[in-house]
Amino acid sequence: GESVGLHLPTLSVQEGDNSIINCAYSNSASDYFIWYKQESGKGPQFIIDIRSNMDKRQGQRVTVLLNKTVKHLSLQIAATQPGDSAVYFCAENFPLTGGTSYGKLTFGQGTILTVHP
Amino acid sequence: DAGITQSPRHKVTETGTPVTLRCHQTENHRYMYWYRQDPGHGLRLIHYSYGVKDTDKGEVSDGYSVSRSKTEDFLLTLESATSSQTSVYFCAISESGTGAPGGYTFGSGTRLTVV
Repeated sequence: GESVGLHLPTLSVQEGDNSIINCAYSNSASDYFIWYKQESGKGPQFIIDIRSNMDKRQGQRVTVLLNKTVKHLSLQIAATQPGDSAVYFCAENFPLTGGTSYGKLTFGQGTILTVHP
Repeated sequence: DAGITQSPRHKVTETGTPVTLRCHQTENHRYMYWYRQDPGHGLRLIHYSYGVKDTDKGEVSDGYSVSRSKTEDFLLTLESATSSQTSVYFCAISESGTGAPGGYTFGSGTRLTVV
C-alpha cells in the first residue's frame, strides 16, 4: 500500500536522554520525507525534512536518517527536554505521474513522546 | 501559526446543517489543503487546491466541497453535516506542490462537533 506507519505508538524518556522515533514507509517511489511535531491543541509543526537522494540530515538537536534499502525513516532528538513532549508524525511524498509537480503527502498516525523531568 | 489562519477555532452544529470553515493565508502560496485528524486515522486529505479555482479531491472527500476564489482563501463546506464529520480540521499551505522544501505549514485547526 501507500501507507506510512510507525513502529512505536508511545515513547517515554528521561530529560537529557536521546530519543529515537521510527517510521516505516511502503512506497519506494517516495522522494521526500518530513517530520512534524504536534503539541496538544495545535497544528503540526515542521521539524526537519530530507530528500530521497540523502541518507542523513541534521538540524538543531535533531537528526533524520533515511534508509531506502529497508524503507525506514528515523528522527533522533538529542538531549530531550520536557518541551519536546508531543506527538511526532512522519510524512512521505510520492510524485504523481503525468508531469505534474504536485505530489501526495501521506502522514503516519504518530508517536507520542513523553519526557519526564 | 504565522501566515495562516483558520476560522472558527471551535464550532458545534446540528446534524443536517451546512457548515463552512475558512482558511486564510498571507504567504501567497499556490497550494492549499484541507485535512481532518481523527484518533486512529492520523491526518487524511479531504481536498486540495493548486491555484485559484483549481481544486481536486483527496482520499476522504465525500460530503465535502471546497472553493478557492482568491489566492488567500480556501473554504471547506460540509453540505449537510453528519456525526461522522465530527473531527479536527486542519488547513495547510505550501509553496511547492511536493511540499519541498520546508513541508506544509499548518493552521491551528478547527474543532468541529456535529450533534
